[in-house]
Amino acid sequence: DAKTTQPNSMESNEEEPVHLPCNHSTISGTDYIHWYRQLPSQGPEYVIHGLTSNVNNRMASLAIAEDRKSSTLILHRATLRDAAVYYCILRDEYNFNKFYFGSGTKLNVKP
Amino acid sequence: DAGVTQSPTHLIKTRGQQVTLRCSPKSGHDTVSWYQQALGQGPQFIFQYYEEEERQRGNFPDRFSGHQFPNYSSELNVNALLLGDSALYLCASSFGTSGVNEQFFGPGTRLTVL
Repeated sequence: DAKTTQPNSMESNEEEPVHLPCNHSTISGTDYIHWYRQLPSQGPEYVIHGLTSNVNNRMASLAIAEDRKSSTLILHRATLRDAAVYYCILRDEYNFNKFYFGSGTKLNVKP
Repeated sequence: DAGVTQSPTHLIKTRGQQVTLRCSPKSGHDTVSWYQQALGQGPQFIFQYYEEEERQRGNFPDRFSGHQFPNYSSELNVNALLLGDSALYLCASSFGTSGVNEQFFGPGTRLTVL
């Protein structure tokens, strides 16, 4: 199963942009790149996903490398509420069993 | 919209016992998936239910079983509990079985096995 590699933790100042990296060198052509985050004492919540092109939504932006072997989740202005564990996940459209969370990146936001 | 709800919130059992956890999906969703999250780890996929059948299964023993009802709600059953089964059990719902569809997670049930 294709897996992802993320830093264990990162730190950011409030109101500043945050770039969360993810490596997925064994990604296959049918794998979508998903990001979820888990706030303390809550279930994970969807952030964004993409296949090949960069994506933007109200929460974040997703930048995908041209070879798709890495991606970066961008939070444009971090708030204290963004402190969470961020998971980069590869999801195959047809084989649900390839849903692998990993350990994620714990983001700490300093006021 | 109530979102995904799970019950109970917390549960304490002893080794060898059996437990049943319940999940109600978000309105309009027909697919329910269950995950186990050990302390400090990411969630691990247990199985997925769609049209009242188990469609996909992760690397979990047969002690873990489930059920989906006609109203799309679901139960997770764990038999012969082990200490290692202590974890947060998460339920997630989505529309359809595609791995691309956004999943909505419930707050989880914290199971402690003594």
